[in-house]
Amino acid sequence: SYELTQPPSVSVSPGQTARITCSGDKLGDKYASWYQQRPGQSPVLVIYEDTKRPSGIPERVSGSNSGNTATLTISGTQAMDEADYYCQTWDSSPAVVFGGGTKLTVL
Amino acid sequence: EVQLVETGGGLVQPGGSLRLSCAASGLTVSSDYMSWVRQAPGKGLEWVSIIYSAGRTYYADSVKGRFTISRDNSQNTLYLQMDSLRAEDTAMYYCARSRVESGICFLDYWGQGTLVTVSS
Repeated sequence: SYELTQPPSVSVSPGQTARITCSGDKLGDKYASWYQQRPGQSPVLVIYEDTKRPSGIPERVSGSNSGNTATLTISGTQAMDEADYYCQTWDSSPAVVFGGGTKLTVL
Repeated sequence: EVQLVETGGGLVQPGGSLRLSCAASGLTVSSDYMSWVRQAPGKGLEWVSIIYSAGRTYYADSVKGRFTISRDNSQNTLYLQMDSLRAEDTAMYYCARSRVESGICFLDYWGQGTLVTVSS
């Protein structure tokens, strides 16, 4: 079965750029999505089709996907960005596949 | 405005059964792809099942043969019948609308979740 790997944690200072990676075999040949989950809340879609933002998601949130790695980039990180982030793709099984999640800490 | 409201969670003994419901408004469950996703306490997201608009259903290996996804078009409601429950099925269960097309898949609307606890 297909697997996605994320770092367990990423730390960033306020105002700096946070980058969260998601690795999978030839992930660049698939589409990646990203979800933000704040404590005690449901996940929220923040990036789909590698680079697209749903309405209401700020422009400082962006995504890319190439080779074996998809990346979620948050520019000008704020305290409100502190959350768990999950990448996700679609496997031909078919199945929805999630990464293990990354805890973003804004120090 | 899209709203998904899950109900039916609770405490059940190992080997028992439970049926979760997801009442939808602002979308039509029969016209959309709908998924169940779960999250064990302190753990990550795990996909459970999906039902296509045409009615085809698929399951994660961990629940195949024990869980059944279905929908009631007249009630605009999604269901998850869970049988032969195990302690490892303890989790918050979310329903989510799934956009699936030509290799693209993302879950754009999520409910608030319903908690299932399997324990004696």
